[in-house]
Amino acid sequence: EPEVTQTPSHQVTQMGQEVILRCVPISNHLYFYWYRQILGQKVEFLVSFYNNEISEKSEIFDDQFSVERPDGSNFTLKIRSTKLEDSAMYFCASSVGQPNGKEEQFFGPGTRLTVL
Amino acid sequence: GEDVEQSLFLSVREGDSSVINCTYTDSSSTYLYWYKQEPGAGLQLLTYIFSNMDMKQDQRLTVLLNKKDKHLSLRIADTQTGDSAIYFCAERRNNAGNMLTFGGGTRLMVKP
Repeated sequence: EPEVTQTPSHQVTQMGQEVILRCVPISNHLYFYWYRQILGQKVEFLVSFYNNEISEKSEIFDDQFSVERPDGSNFTLKIRSTKLEDSAMYFCASSVGQPNGKEEQFFGPGTRLTVL
Repeated sequence: GEDVEQSLFLSVREGDSSVINCTYTDSSSTYLYWYKQEPGAGLQLLTYIFSNMDMKQDQRLTVLLNKKDKHLSLRIADTQTGDSAIYFCAERRNNAGNMLTFGGGTRLMVKP
């Protein structure tokens, strides 16, 4: 069964450093998403991406964040200058893309980002 | 406020039914989802319901939606120890594209 994969599973970085989190969405999916879950808190939407551009973003997704689909399979989240409060589990998700449809989003296993 | 709320914890005995509840505040929600998260794993989509439905059954899972009260529940029949996990409800709002808004999750513990 196809699944969303993410690498690395755990990333440790120093405050102020740039990190890139990588995701391989399910191959026939057209919509891609990033969510994050700070320890003990809710899963929060960050951004959705369709047709090579951002379709929606939350207020969390500020100028420090960017997303890219550098090739036909990868979808990345870059944090330019990490802060302590960026420590969280970051989930990538993808969906087929059914406007007004059920839009089942399939999630990857997550990357745990720890900022020291 | 526009929030999705769940109780934190539920404990049941193996073989009993579990009912996990969720309330939401946005009446424009179109689809509502239940996800399962096992320790160290991602979010697994269990089932969903469209907002014009009252009930959906899928094997051991039954989803009930009370749109008037903005209340969603997930019933797991014959709960097994393998059902122990955190269960998240999520809503997709009519005016928010594909973005999902999640509840805080309910930790289900199944005792043998």
